[in-house]
Amino acid sequence: NAGVTQTPKFRVLKTGQSMTLLCAQDMNHEYMYWYRQDPGMGLRLIHYSVGEGTTAKGEVPDGYNVSRLKKQNFLLGLESAAPSQTSVYFCASSSPAGDGTDTQYFGPGTRLTVL
Amino acid sequence: GNSVTQMEGPVTLSEEAFLTINCTYTATGYPSLFWYVQYPGEGLQLLLKATKADDKGSNKGFEATYRKETTSFHLEKGSVQVSDSAVYFCALSGRYAGGTSYGKLTFGQGTILTVHP
Repeated sequence: NAGVTQTPKFRVLKTGQSMTLLCAQDMNHEYMYWYRQDPGMGLRLIHYSVGEGTTAKGEVPDGYNVSRLKKQNFLLGLESAAPSQTSVYFCASSSPAGDGTDTQYFGPGTRLTVL
Repeated sequence: GNSVTQMEGPVTLSEEAFLTINCTYTATGYPSLFWYVQYPGEGLQLLLKATKADDKGSNKGFEATYRKETTSFHLEKGSVQVSDSAVYFCALSGRYAGGTSYGKLTFGQGTILTVHP
C-alpha cells in the first residue's frame, strides 16, 4: 500500500495564479482532510470531507476550494494565489471510529511558495 | 472552542536524557488526545493516543497519560535517542454526547526536539 500520496511535492506560483493539489489514498478511508502547516502555528484544518461528493469548511477555508469526486481522491484548489498562502500543505485520511478516536494518516506534504 | 497548548521549544537534549514535553488542552465534550511525530522531510504519523480520562498511551518508549483534572497530556520518554529528533505535535479530537466531530483534529504548535550524541 502506498498510503496517502500528494502531488506535487514542491511548487512555486506567482500571485494571482491558480493551481490544484492532488491527494490520493488507497486505504478505502471515508474521511479526508487538508491542513496547512505554518511555523509556530501547528497544523490548521482548511477543508475536510466525510465521504465521496461531500465537503465541509475547516478552520481556515478562505481562498481555497476542494472537491471529492472519487472516494480515493481529495483535491485542493487555489483560484488566485496570494503570498499568505505560502505554506506546507498536508493531506490526511481516516476511517471513522464514530467516537473521535480515529487515527489520521498523513501524506508527505506539498511545499508551496507564492511570490 | 477547542485549543491545545504545547511547551515552547526547541528542546535540545543529550542522548539517554529524560524527555518531557508538556501539553494542556481546552475542550468541550469528551476529547480524545493524540501525540503525532514529524520526522525531517516527512508527514505526520501517530505516536500514541488516549481516548478517556486516566488512559495511558504508549509506543516506542514514549508515554502520555490523559489527566482530565489538570487537562493535560504530557509526553515522556525515559531515555531519548538521536533517532527521536523530530517535531512533536499534541492534538485533540472532540467527542460530543449524541454527535461526532468527524475526527477533526486541533493541533498544538509543535515542539522541535533535537537529541545530540
